[in-house]
Amino acid sequence: QKEVEQNSGPLSVPEGAIASLNCTYSDRVSQSFFWYRQYSGKSPELIMSIYSNGDKEDGRFTAQLNKASQYVSLLIRDSQPSDSATYLCAVNYRGNEKLTFGTGTRLTIIP
Amino acid sequence: EAQVTQNPRYLITVTGKKLTVTCSQNMNHEYMSWYRQDPGLGLRQIYYSMNVEVTDKGDVPEGYKVSRKEKRNFPLILESPSPNQTSLYFCASSRAGQGHYEQYFGPGTRLTVT
Repeated sequence: QKEVEQNSGPLSVPEGAIASLNCTYSDRVSQSFFWYRQYSGKSPELIMSIYSNGDKEDGRFTAQLNKASQYVSLLIRDSQPSDSATYLCAVNYRGNEKLTFGTGTRLTIIP
Repeated sequence: EAQVTQNPRYLITVTGKKLTVTCSQNMNHEYMSWYRQDPGLGLRQIYYSMNVEVTDKGDVPEGYKVSRKEKRNFPLILESPSPNQTSLYFCASSRAGQGHYEQYFGPGTRLTVT
């Protein structure tokens, strides 16, 4: 059973601090990892993708991938109230076009 | 502007009345997919399509039908809707065969079946 697990939260972080979101996955045959942001009632929006071990930075966002430990994380630096949303982790398994989503972590940035 | 569109955005209907939710993308993507999103259950895939005339079941296909006659369109059909199909539905598309599979989502259709 391929699964993607996230802590549902809510995760509360003061404005300006670093928010750390984590995701674990159950199958080693995976190749692509994604973080989506979803505001309440809106559609998921792709914010980061990562395909190899290590860190990938894009502005205030950093994705970290550790395939040996089967986890992927998202760091948000200098958190802003506009970062308050649900963050979805998604994994693509090798040989399959499908994305498997976690249930999401709700993040609240406290002004 | 590159986008995925869905119609209608909101729909209230009654049990058993057939309905179709349309999905269209202008990015020439091969892969298209339908998801439903329910509280506590996350995004669950209903059906997907690898290309024209190629469709397959996702995780929760019961009660739904799809077709892919044109590359840009992927309608979702509920032949006899039931209240347990009340949900928020998303269509998504992506390139296929590139190894990356970033999916782009439509704005969503909120369906209520009474």
